[in-house]
Amino acid sequence: GAVVSQHPSRVICKSGTSVKIECRSLDFQATTMFWYRQFPKQSLMLMATSNEGSKATYEQGVEKDKFLINHASLTLSTLTVTSAHPEDSSFYICSARGWSEGRTNEKLFFGSGTQLSVL
Amino acid sequence: KNQVEQSPQSLIILEGKNCTLQCNYTVSPFSNLRWYKQDTGRGPVSLTIMTFSENTKSNGRYTATLDADTKQSSLHITASQLSDSASYICVVRGSGGGNKLTFGTGTQLKVEL
Repeated sequence: GAVVSQHPSRVICKSGTSVKIECRSLDFQATTMFWYRQFPKQSLMLMATSNEGSKATYEQGVEKDKFLINHASLTLSTLTVTSAHPEDSSFYICSARGWSEGRTNEKLFFGSGTQLSVL
Repeated sequence: KNQVEQSPQSLIILEGKNCTLQCNYTVSPFSNLRWYKQDTGRGPVSLTIMTFSENTKSNGRYTATLDADTKQSSLHITASQLSDSASYICVVRGSGGGNKLTFGTGTQLKVEL
């Protein structure tokens, strides 16, 4: 079963509204969560990295005031697209990284993605 | 600059045939290499993960190889099925500078009858 749950899977919104996307790790503690953006037939582009309890680190060119990331717990991170515009329409994917007991195995799983369409 | 290049960019094969996808990387220092399968409109699903000391790993009909000296990896799919149609992404993690993941652009595989 899915170990990273991402919701919603699809959202359509009007220009100017804000959209929140949730990413939850279901059976492990995610010390780090990543948010990606993907355009059709292109690879994932890292937007930001967040560690639990600290501010997210944004990649160059990604507006932190536009894409608000909160990682308040070891199992939940949220991405809020503020004042969305049609050019923000894209496929957004989260991934969560954690460790097995004893830190012997790294776990890295992706969410199922959120298709955002801004009208 | 850390890069991951995949080839071919796209591939069409007949059901039941085998195929091999390639991944070359320049990421250094190297920590691990993963192959993911991504269906259209879905998140990537892990197929294999290999560290420096591993040179082959299988997961059902998927077999990945790694040559850390030449910085090359391959993903071999045996007896392809229609459901194998997807994008296959090679992801390399470095062991320094924040342990960043570097993604390949993927190989789009289509399996036809």
